[in-house]
Amino acid sequence: QQQVKQSPQSLIVQKGGISIINCAYENTAFDYFPWYQQFPGKGPALLIAIRPDVSEKKEGRFTISFNKSAKQFSLHIMDSQPGDSATYFCAARSGGYQKVTFGTGTKLQVIP
Amino acid sequence: DGGITQSPKYLFRKEGQNVTLSCEQNLNHDAMYWYRQDPGQGLRLIYYSQIVNDFQKGDIAEGYSVSREKKESFPLTVTSAQKNPTAFYLCATQETSDQPQHFGDGTRLSIL
Repeated sequence: QQQVKQSPQSLIVQKGGISIINCAYENTAFDYFPWYQQFPGKGPALLIAIRPDVSEKKEGRFTISFNKSAKQFSLHIMDSQPGDSATYFCAARSGGYQKVTFGTGTKLQVIP
Repeated sequence: DGGITQSPKYLFRKEGQNVTLSCEQNLNHDAMYWYRQDPGQGLRLIYYSQIVNDFQKGDIAEGYSVSREKKESFPLTVTSAQKNPTAFYLCATQETSDQPQHFGDGTRLSIL
């Protein structure tokens, strides 16, 4: 019940295309859903986050869509660029100073 | 320069040896966390601390120990009891209970 399932494991997108990464959870106590971007040899960096009272959040080229009834959320990267090539992790947390449960990551490669 | 500093960047452990990974922050954040990252498994929580002189076990605490004597510091010791210590270790901080976690750039531990 604590898992966050993430797909796909890897993704290749043409420059200018849309990258879509999907996540699903079971624990209805989760109330905060961040996405992290990680480059090789670096720690994950917070990209964008959403709370379940909002169905969509957009920051620049990055959009989170959230479906509370289906317990699913997704990251859309519009106009994908080679610099977006990284590993992306979805995550979920159930309030306060609690652990963040991470998905297993999606390795994105944007090709010119 | 503000942030989360993990050191060393690379560390090698001999059989039967304990090693200590450093995590220092000058962000004045309350909570600190240690995660372990293995390929294809996302991040898993080892220990976390909400206040000085208090810490809790995470999902994979066996073979690890921590201390929190100062707000700025949360060192992790990988003991000889941890039979598979090769991994990328990440320290994170959290300012308040409703804020996201932010990560350092990690320490890669390998066995000699």
